[in-house]
Amino acid sequence: DTEVTQTPKHLVMGMTNKKSLKCEQHMGHRAMYWYKQKAKKPPELMFVYSYEKLSINESVPSRFSPECPNSSLLNLHLHALQPEDSALYLCASSQLLREKLFFGSGTQLSVL
Amino acid sequence: GNSVTQMEGPVTLSEEAFLTINCTYTATGYPSLFWYVQYPGEGLQLLLKATKADDKGSNKGFEATYRKETTSFHLEKGSVQVSDSAVYFCALSVLGSGGSNYKLTFGKGTLLTVNP
Repeated sequence: DTEVTQTPKHLVMGMTNKKSLKCEQHMGHRAMYWYKQKAKKPPELMFVYSYEKLSINESVPSRFSPECPNSSLLNLHLHALQPEDSALYLCASSQLLREKLFFGSGTQLSVL
Repeated sequence: GNSVTQMEGPVTLSEEAFLTINCTYTATGYPSLFWYVQYPGEGLQLLLKATKADDKGSNKGFEATYRKETTSFHLEKGSVQVSDSAVYFCALSVLGSGGSNYKLTFGKGTLLTVNP
């Protein structure tokens, strides 16, 4: 299994809603990532987890809250988002000390 | 700091044409270089990589050579197909201390459209 699975594929939420994005991999990777991608732009790193511990937070607003409950799962909890947070949210994983990232297909988020 | 500059496009070619997408980089230390491809509605897939000077990465008919003297990693394909239509991202990473994985720095992406 060489896939990173993200759910849901599409999400529409209001600014007062709370929602969560989910990511799962079964490749035994110990590093997992959240990226944000606006249309026609490259992905921007948000968070990196290494061995289920948060190792990089790229100064992301607190309305985005990551969680890594175990080595296969990565969540991104969303609360009080703004319309400018609408984007494609990509999850990725890699073997620690290796540089090849495997990306999921992303969750297309629209904030109304 | 680290940065990647690639031709922004869009690039439009006919099927079987030759493709070049230029990529140059600035990096502290010794970076690894990558080309990622993003098909419509999908995440990114690693297309090829090179980890040291003069290495050539290749995959699916695409090639790129790590040129340290010109700090370049240009993507080429001899004969493109309609199915190659996608956005192509050049990227680099520099390993952090202790060998820990570090983040990718992406170029802005190049949209390639191949017409039949």
